[in-house]
Amino acid sequence: QVQLQESGPGLVKPSETLSLTCTVSGDSFGSPKYYWTWVRQPAGKGLEWIGRISNGGTTKYNASLESRVTISLDISRRQFSLKLSSVTAADTAVYFCAREAGTVAGSIGYWGQGTLVTVSS
Amino acid sequence: EIVLTQSPDFLSVTPQEKVTITCRASQNIGYDLHWYQQKAGQSPKLLIKFAAQPFSGVPSRFSGSGSGTYFTLTINRLEPEDVATYYCHQGYALPITFGGGTRVEIK
Repeated sequence: QVQLQESGPGLVKPSETLSLTCTVSGDSFGSPKYYWTWVRQPAGKGLEWIGRISNGGTTKYNASLESRVTISLDISRRQFSLKLSSVTAADTAVYFCAREAGTVAGSIGYWGQGTLVTVSS
Repeated sequence: EIVLTQSPDFLSVTPQEKVTITCRASQNIGYDLHWYQQKAGQSPKLLIKFAAQPFSGVPSRFSGSGSGTYFTLTINRLEPEDVATYYCHQGYALPITFGGGTRVEIK
């Protein structure tokens, strides 16, 4: 059973860079069958897909965030990471890492518990 | 971007009642529609993939149907533990998008 766990600062100052890491346990991390994905959710609101990375390092981002987002992968550490630059209060949200099926139009079968990131001075 | 519109926004139902939630897509997405349950303070959990395929371990009272632009999630005989917000998600085209959610509570 795969498990995902987010980690990183819970408070980020405006204009700075938000950095989160997701550590994956289980036997699927090296598999080409999956994408490693970030989704966020502002308090009381819906889900927003941020982007994903494949095992081969190919990234896809939500165009609404693309100029500020970088997702990277460290297979040896079984981790993938999110960096979001120039943050504002609008980036305050719970951030989830997740495993997305690597098939066309695949579902998101496994999620981390989420971590709240607050942007405030 | 494909827009998913869920209805209703909110449902208050009695236990054992049947619940139907709809999700409409702004364009034809075939069967590339998935459903999630999110309980308060928790991460979403996959219920149904590709419109009608139950995910592993999901109780049989949850079912999905539809194709193209119209999809439904049905909960037969609602249980108290089904209190949650339900989201649809399309993987047909990037960016991946989610519906706005339907909150279900017990009357």
